[in-house]
Amino acid sequence: NAGVTQTPKFRVLKTGQSMTLLCAQDMNHEYMYWYRQDPGMGLRLIHYSVGEGTTAKGEVPDGYNVSRLKKQNFLLGLESAAPSQTSVYFCASRRTGFAEQYFGPGTRLTVT
Amino acid sequence: TQLLKQSPQFLSIQEGENLTVYCNSSSVFSSLQWYRQEPGEGPVLLVTVVTGGEVKKLKRLTFQFGDARKDSSLHITAAQPGDTGLYLCAGAEEETSGSRLTFGEGTQLTVNP
Repeated sequence: NAGVTQTPKFRVLKTGQSMTLLCAQDMNHEYMYWYRQDPGMGLRLIHYSVGEGTTAKGEVPDGYNVSRLKKQNFLLGLESAAPSQTSVYFCASRRTGFAEQYFGPGTRLTVT
Repeated sequence: TQLLKQSPQFLSIQEGENLTVYCNSSSVFSSLQWYRQEPGEGPVLLVTVVTGGEVKKLKRLTFQFGDARKDSSLHITAAQPGDTGLYLCAGAEEETSGSRLTFGEGTQLTVNP
């Protein structure tokens, strides 16, 4: 099993550009999450989904949108990138009834 | 917002030494997890503690959950260079809240040979 995969692995954007990060999981997990990781700040939750067709805001949702049209995919969009969104983005998933989250390898995004 | 304070933020020790990492909060969590993260990879779960006062051992690593389920510690005995990495604690909310995790800031451990 591939587990949780993320594409792309690296991306450089100019301020104002848009992009979509794709997360896919093959474990049939109900829950999916998007985090950003910045030095000295641990991981902060951006948005999450408790099932296909549902999304909810996390701790730092501003500037991001998400969609979960298929159970196995969770998309994170940046409509107008800003330098403050330079970070490493992680996707995670988990199954109902278990707290453990399985993380993808991350996407390193730089906004200039 | 529930907060988790992790200490120390950085730790550099010699092979064979013992160390303890602390994770503290003013909030109660339904469970607490410890993850380890290698450079360029996502965090990987080490252990989940659920019951107040619970102690779990994973080879040379000992994890403890506080009686009030607000704090936790990770103790490593006779550290080895392979233990080097970023250690993250994470408190889990109830299932009805999506079991969201609140992460500590992380402890960057370096074990020198």
